[in-house]
Amino acid sequence: GQQLNQSPQSMFIQEGEDVSMNCTSSSIFNTWLWYKQDPGEGPVLLIALYKAGELTSNGRLTAQFGITRKDSFLNISASIPSDVGIYFCAGQNTDKLIFGTGTRLQVFP
Amino acid sequence: DSGVTQTPKHLITATGQRVTLRCSPRSGDLSVYWYQQSLDQGLQFLIQYYNGEERAKGNILERFSAQQFPDLHSELNLSSLELGDSALYFCASSGSSGTYYGYTFGSGTRLTVV
Repeated sequence: GQQLNQSPQSMFIQEGEDVSMNCTSSSIFNTWLWYKQDPGEGPVLLIALYKAGELTSNGRLTAQFGITRKDSFLNISASIPSDVGIYFCAGQNTDKLIFGTGTRLQVFP
Repeated sequence: DSGVTQTPKHLITATGQRVTLRCSPRSGDLSVYWYQQSLDQGLQFLIQYYNGEERAKGNILERFSAQQFPDLHSELNLSSLELGDSALYFCASSGSSGTYYGYTFGSGTRLTVV
């Protein structure tokens, strides 16, 4: 099935470092979302973006909706151990969500 | 608690068997989606139901089927199970048409086929 290209595939960082990951698509989306999946759990919505160029923050998380509506990035500042997990981007048109391939984040103390 | 309830949490069964996974959507949500996630893989869309009717189909095998009942809960039936069907199966729900704020996921059913 169709998926968005997400990079990097995995990241190994030290606690306190900043993290950046991005997501690109060949298709335009009206909404971009970022989810986090803890091990063995379902994905949980972190941030939703509704307008091209929009920059939204949620605590230490910042995400931007690309001006072309074909990409988005997520930044995590001052990482902590509980940031460990898989981060998925998702593009949405109507009621259909297309997920990215995921970025696996490991944080070392 | 996301409001989406999936049962059972874990399921271990033998090859060739049939199992049923159950999902209760968040209150008020009309759409139910089923996803499969194999080890270290992404989320593979299987099927969507909206208010009891099949709305979209993804990479769902013919051995798998689903339905959504009048009370909006949904069941995913997996038959003639193979070792490769071992995976996490997630159900998600979303609001009625015109409200696009992503999906709310349940905590999943971990299926192990031995």
